Amino acid sequence: AQSVAQPEDQVNVAEGNPLTVKCTYSVSGNPYLFWYVQYPNRGLQFLLKYITGDNLVKGSYGFEAEFNKSQTSFHLKKPSALVSDSALYFCAVRSANNLFFGTGTRLTVIP
Amino acid sequence: ETGVTQTPRHLVMGMTNKKSLKCEQHLGHNAMYWYKQSAKKPLELMFVYSLEERVENNSVPSRFSPECPNSSHLFLHLHTLQPEDSALYLCASSQGTGPGTGELFFGEGSRLTVL
Repeated sequence: AQSVAQPEDQVNVAEGNPLTVKCTYSVSGNPYLFWYVQYPNRGLQFLLKYITGDNLVKGSYGFEAEFNKSQTSFHLKKPSALVSDSALYFCAVRSANNLFFGTGTRLTVIP
Repeated sequence: ETGVTQTPRHLVMGMTNKKSLKCEQHLGHNAMYWYKQSAKKPLELMFVYSLEERVENNSVPSRFSPECPNSSHLFLHLHTLQPEDSALYLCASSQGTGPGTGELFFGEGSRLTVL
């Protein structure tokens, strides 16, 4: 069975500091991993994905994620946080007919 | 513009009403999805259609009835709902339904309130 876990409900970071939003996964077979962002009263926006290849994946808005097979992790990172990055972030893993989401992490960037 | 359009964005209905949510995708995708997002709960998959055929029905109550007349349109018909059905309903599409077929593209959602 496919699942992801986001251990932190809330992450606070000062503007300009690096940010990390954590995700661990459990899959049978090859992992297909995704990050999405949701702003208030909006749908989910795709940020980046890992399918195969380089363990460091670059995505939209300066975000990147590092795939670590030994630790079964796929943490989202950004070198310098912006206030506008404040939102709800979801990690997800793909199966045949579904995208299984984590419970989400609310990121707050403090000016 | 996300390529996936949902209407209405907001809907308030009584428990005896019948209403429908509409989703349209302009991306040429073959698969469409309905998800339910409730406060403090993970996103829940409701239905999946691939090439207009339902391939997943995730134990959804019969008061929710999906319809996919073609690969670009998806409806969710609502009748005799309960207050606990109040949630954000998200439509999504993807190229296919296999694990390697990539990301889902989401609409902005329809916020449903059942009184």
